Amino acid sequence: KQEVTQIPAALSVPEGENLVLNCSFTDSAIYNLQWFRQDPGKGLTSLLLIQSSQREQTSGRLNASLDKSSGRSTLYIAASQPGDSATYLCAVFGNKLVFGAGTILRVKS
Amino acid sequence: NAGVTQTPKFRVLKTGQSMTLLCAQDMNHEYMYWYRQDPGMGLRLIHYSVGEGTTAKGEVPDGYNVSRLKKQNFLLGLESAAPSQTSVYFCASSYKGAGYEQYFGPGTRLTVT
Repeated sequence: KQEVTQIPAALSVPEGENLVLNCSFTDSAIYNLQWFRQDPGKGLTSLLLIQSSQREQTSGRLNASLDKSSGRSTLYIAASQPGDSATYLCAVFGNKLVFGAGTILRVKS
Repeated sequence: NAGVTQTPKFRVLKTGQSMTLLCAQDMNHEYMYWYRQDPGMGLRLIHYSVGEGTTAKGEVPDGYNVSRLKKQNFLLGLESAAPSQTSVYFCASSYKGAGYEQYFGPGTRLTVT
């Protein structure tokens, strides 16, 4: 059974810091890995999708990497801003999408 | 494009009542999914569909039924609501051509008293 773990559970940083969110998964037989953002009381917004054959994807200040053999992904956020405050969810898709519990990020101004 | 929409946004039910949640997508996606999100439990898959007329069970299907009579719609039914079904319900859709990237609706907040 696929299990997805996200570390840390919560993170508070001052504005401008670069930060890394971690995601690990137990079964490397995946089609893709997706990072989402969720604001309080809202739905999920897809940030980045990494196919199993890819090593990384970039969108603006966000960069996500995937190491399928070790079962790890990282989401790198450059020059963090207060507007980045949200819960970040990692999910892996094998025959279904399995989510981690998320990292709650707070960026202080 | 509206993307994925869900109706209603909020609902309060009494134990034993029934209701149907509607999910609609205008992206012509083959796959559709229903999840529930609970504090401390994360997002869990209830049921999913790989095409019109097909449905399959996910991780937590008990107490729910689904139907996909049209490609763009995926309905989630609660026949006899229980307090344990108090949750936020999300619908999502995807298609193989986009690497199964999932697009989520805004959610339905359901309270069963």
